[in-house]
Amino acid sequence: DIQMTQSPSSLSASVGDRVTITCRASQGISRWLAWYQQKPEKAPKSLIYAASSLQNGVPSRFSGSGSGTDFTLTISSLQPEDFATYYCQQYNTYPLTFGGGTKVQIK
Amino acid sequence: EVQLLESGGGLVQPGGSLRLSCAASGFTFSSCAMTWVRQAPGKGLQWVSVISGSGGRTYYADSVKGRFTISRDNSKNTLYLQMNSLRADDTAVYYCAKHSQEYGDSMVDYWGQGTLVTVSS
Repeated sequence: DIQMTQSPSSLSASVGDRVTITCRASQGISRWLAWYQQKPEKAPKSLIYAASSLQNGVPSRFSGSGSGTDFTLTISSLQPEDFATYYCQQYNTYPLTFGGGTKVQIK
Repeated sequence: EVQLLESGGGLVQPGGSLRLSCAASGFTFSSCAMTWVRQAPGKGLQWVSVISGSGGRTYYADSVKGRFTISRDNSKNTLYLQMNSLRADDTAVYYCAKHSQEYGDSMVDYWGQGTLVTVSS
């Protein structure tokens, strides 16, 4: 199975900060990586697919990059509604696997 | 508007069975793979199973293989998850999710609201 490792597991940031979350795959997955946002007691929401393509309706302050084994999710200017947990997921190989999550908290 | 509505969750004893359903609308159901993902209380997301748009291909996580069966009825736009031999560690919110294409090696673009399964005596 492909292991997905996210870092950090949590971070504290202020509104307006630039935030970067890293996701590393245990083996190459090309660009078959997605990012999801989940708020407490809510279903996940799809943000990014194919490593860097924004899902319809996702604000442009979100961006993704990377290929192979190393990927990043960047929020260019953190907004109050962005405080949530973020997950990466590879869909290159079954079983599909998620990272452990990164909780973005208010500083 | 894409809508995914799960049902069938509840309290079940260890060793028992439960069938989850996910009613889909707002898209061509038979053209999209569908996935089940679960989340244990306070934990992260765990992929459970996927089925292709036609229903001809299915894949499972090792933790549920042989106990869970994914299926779909394209005439009813409904996805199912039959869960047998349930264990305490199957306790989770179960989400159904839609893939963007016919096969599961494609992005998930929409999620249901989830249904809680509790396995306890």
